[in-house]
Amino acid sequence: NAGVMQNPRHLVRRRGQEARLRCSPMKGHSHVYWYRQLPEEGLKFMVYLQKENIIDESGMPKERFSAEFPKEGPSILRIQQVVRGDSAAYFCASSPFLRTGNNQPQHFGDGTRLSIL
Amino acid sequence: GENVEQHPSTLSVQEGDSAVIKCTYSDSASNYFPWYKQELGKRPQLIIDIRSNVGEKKDQRIAVTLNKTAKHFSLHITETQPEDSAVYFCAASRRGGSNYKLTFGKGTLLTVNP
Repeated sequence: NAGVMQNPRHLVRRRGQEARLRCSPMKGHSHVYWYRQLPEEGLKFMVYLQKENIIDESGMPKERFSAEFPKEGPSILRIQQVVRGDSAAYFCASSPFLRTGNNQPQHFGDGTRLSIL
Repeated sequence: GENVEQHPSTLSVQEGDSAVIKCTYSDSASNYFPWYKQELGKRPQLIIDIRSNVGEKKDQRIAVTLNKTAKHFSLHITETQPEDSAVYFCAASRRGGSNYKLTFGKGTLLTVNP
């Protein structure tokens, strides 16, 4: 069972360009989360998605950032008009859904290191 | 919203000693508490988790304890080895609906000296 797959591993963009980060959850997982990690800091929640639905985007900046998890294909985190402050590691995690509603372990991908020149 | 405080920020121990990392949380509705280990440049890896209906959980050299009344939980690593050196993060979340998101502490850099 392949783990959470993220690509690219490293992404370099110039200020003003767009960054597109991809995440394929583990097989059988229907919940996807995106977190951002700044150097020497913890992970900060950005957005929580299920297939075709954004459940919670309270941690994602209202401007320039968007996320989707289409019926087919990976989840995408999109950052438009990038600025230097967007430089960080972006991690995706996934978890399965159980009818009990109990929290399930979130398994992380290797992350995308975004550098803005 | 939830706030998770983690201490200490750095911890250095001799190989074979025990290491304890402590976290407190603010939201009394939080009921799930995982711990992650992150090596430099790698993904966070889940090492143990505990739910609020349990006071303690053990897995070989790793144990976690939870005090719901005081709203704190701790990670205990016994017989530490150099390969335990990493950054450890605690986290907390609620159950159900949109509440599954994890709120993380700022991490503890554990160094195990041979």
